[in-house]
Amino acid sequence: DAGITQSPRYKITETGRQVTLMCHQTWSHSYMFWYRQDLGHGLRLIYYSAAADITDKGEVPDGYVVSRSKTENFPLTLESATRSQTSVYFCASRDSRFRSYEQYFGPGTRLTVT
Amino acid sequence: AQRVTQPEKLLSVFKGAPVELKCNYSYSGSPELFWYVQYSRQRLQLLLRHISRESIKGFTADLNKGETSFHLKKPFAQEEDSAMYYCALRGSQGNLIFGKGTKLSVKP
Repeated sequence: DAGITQSPRYKITETGRQVTLMCHQTWSHSYMFWYRQDLGHGLRLIYYSAAADITDKGEVPDGYVVSRSKTENFPLTLESATRSQTSVYFCASRDSRFRSYEQYFGPGTRLTVT
Repeated sequence: AQRVTQPEKLLSVFKGAPVELKCNYSYSGSPELFWYVQYSRQRLQLLLRHISRESIKGFTADLNKGETSFHLKKPFAQEEDSAMYYCALRGSQGNLIFGKGTKLSVKP
């Protein structure tokens, strides 16, 4: 049982390039989230999805695009990467069937934009 | 406004000493709070949540609604407790609102 996985784990890209970070979960959780982790800022929500084909903006959505055509996948695309998007990106999921709002996190993708 | 404040960026203690990582929150309504831990270069994992009132790895946290606090405590720190600790609050969007984190360093 893989749980929640992210790919790639490490990525170096150049300014202006498009890059897509993948997130896959095997639990059929309805909710999925993308966070970025930066020193001094903790984790900030970029986008989230309550179900397939339902997405919404979080705290820092500018420069990012998401889609969710299947429950298990939630890719995050940087349309034109900027140096300020150098960060560690975490995907998370949550089961809506239970009262708890506990989220399960992927291993993270370390993205460097040069 | 929904907000989580962790006032200490870094907390350094010696092995065997008590530890308290502070967390204050701002939330109108009934809050749901969590502590997540991130060991070096690993994913975030849930340490504990206030609704279950568990003790995990010797850590406890009590929700104090009067002081709007959810401090994490452990009576005797171990070297393996060295990690980044995040306090989190359930947000209105079903997400988690994280504090900026406290890095705990336990010295031998």
